[in-house]
Amino acid sequence: DAKTTQPTSMDCAEGRAANLPCNHSTISGNEYVYWYRQIHSQGPQYIIHGLKNNETNEMASLIITEDRKSSTLILPHATLRDTAVYYCISRRESNFGNEKLTFGTGTRLTIIP
Amino acid sequence: SQTIHQWPATLVQPVGSPLSLECTVEGTSNPNLYWYRQAAGRGLQLLFYSVGIGQISSEVPQNLSASRPQDRQFILSSKKLLLSDSGFYLCAWSVRSYGYTFGSGTRLTVV
Repeated sequence: DAKTTQPTSMDCAEGRAANLPCNHSTISGNEYVYWYRQIHSQGPQYIIHGLKNNETNEMASLIITEDRKSSTLILPHATLRDTAVYYCISRRESNFGNEKLTFGTGTRLTIIP
Repeated sequence: SQTIHQWPATLVQPVGSPLSLECTVEGTSNPNLYWYRQAAGRGLQLLFYSVGIGQISSEVPQNLSASRPQDRQFILSSKKLLLSDSGFYLCAWSVRSYGYTFGSGTRLTVV
């Protein structure tokens, strides 16, 4: 699975959109981009994933560049509860069941009141 | 709906004592199961994963072992704990092409 690079930390004002970048320049054509977040002392929580097209769900939007070398997770109206470490992970889908997720150090997002 | 149970939530154990952490999943069949560890202030490290009963793959050499005696039960064990085994242990499951669901974790302190 391709290596991903994220900024160590970011701040965002409450109520504004939080844009979290991720670089995955070595991603291959069959690797998905996954985003998880981990609130302090809890297990990681799935947010969203995508392959080529932009994706949106009730939590966030995922924008993937056309060359797929980078992506941005967007939290449209950040709240204090969005303060967490956000992990961007690339993963190859497999029919063999051994779909391991390798977490990096993530981005520590702090929402400022 | 699918749920994952992990216990205990916190555990304080002396060095040299044994360890057994249990994780069970409900509402799904033949899930992939995973044990992760997170040391204080660090990222998540995959320790073991299992694609079926009795099938365990170890990601890193360590003082721990894992077993899967039933389809939806995953156990993390140690015969003799070390100080370096302290950390936040997370169990997770996945079904093909879906994201992971994590348990609430066990915070282990070895003293």
